[in-house]
Amino acid sequence: KNEVEQSPQNLTAQEGEFITINCSYSVGISALHWLQQHPGGGIVSLFMLSSGKKKHGRLIATINIQEKHSSLHITASHPRDSAVYICAVRWGGQRVQGAQKLVFGQGTRLTINP
Amino acid sequence: DAGVTQSPTHLIKTRGQQVTLRCSPKSGHDTVSWYQQALGQGPQFIFQYYEEEERQRGNFPDRFSGHQFPNYSSELNVNALLLGDSALYLCASSPQGGERRTDTQYFGPGTRLTVL
Repeated sequence: KNEVEQSPQNLTAQEGEFITINCSYSVGISALHWLQQHPGGGIVSLFMLSSGKKKHGRLIATINIQEKHSSLHITASHPRDSAVYICAVRWGGQRVQGAQKLVFGQGTRLTINP
Repeated sequence: DAGVTQSPTHLIKTRGQQVTLRCSPKSGHDTVSWYQQALGQGPQFIFQYYEEEERQRGNFPDRFSGHQFPNYSSELNVNALLLGDSALYLCASSPQGGERRTDTQYFGPGTRLTVL
């Protein structure tokens, strides 16, 4: 079982639909990242959360620390939102010098059709 | 202000060869992490460099090694290449040792390695 699980793995929707992507993790974390990866590979960091909710434009990310669960929502989806969305967590375990490593989910491939 | 840069963008090698990939972190960042992303999978942590030393390592064999230079740039070396090493190799940088909870990682565009 992966330490970070995303669902769904693939999602196809029509332009304008409300999109939800889910992420569950198995142990305590210090932070959770939502990342966007377009074809060709470049990764863009969308959000970093340790509690509550963050909003940027049409994107909303929430996290429930007790339930070890986070969601990424896209309102009024658009074809340019088509990408792979990846959840990554930074474990809350022992501190080491340097940044704590990220553990990634397998990604959710989102396709928005016009 | 340049973001994270990686070179080369694409590389084709044959089994048994050795490869070196390069990463320059975002200005002001001193910590570099390397990840391997196989096709259709999420990235897997390889190792991380801070203050020119390997600080953390994922579950990768010793064929994978690295280096960080005084200017914080980093190299990833892979020896005795296998077909399974074909992947996108991503570099990410973060500032000030990345110990603060508010620090995020900035990713480079990646190097796509194909092993034939």
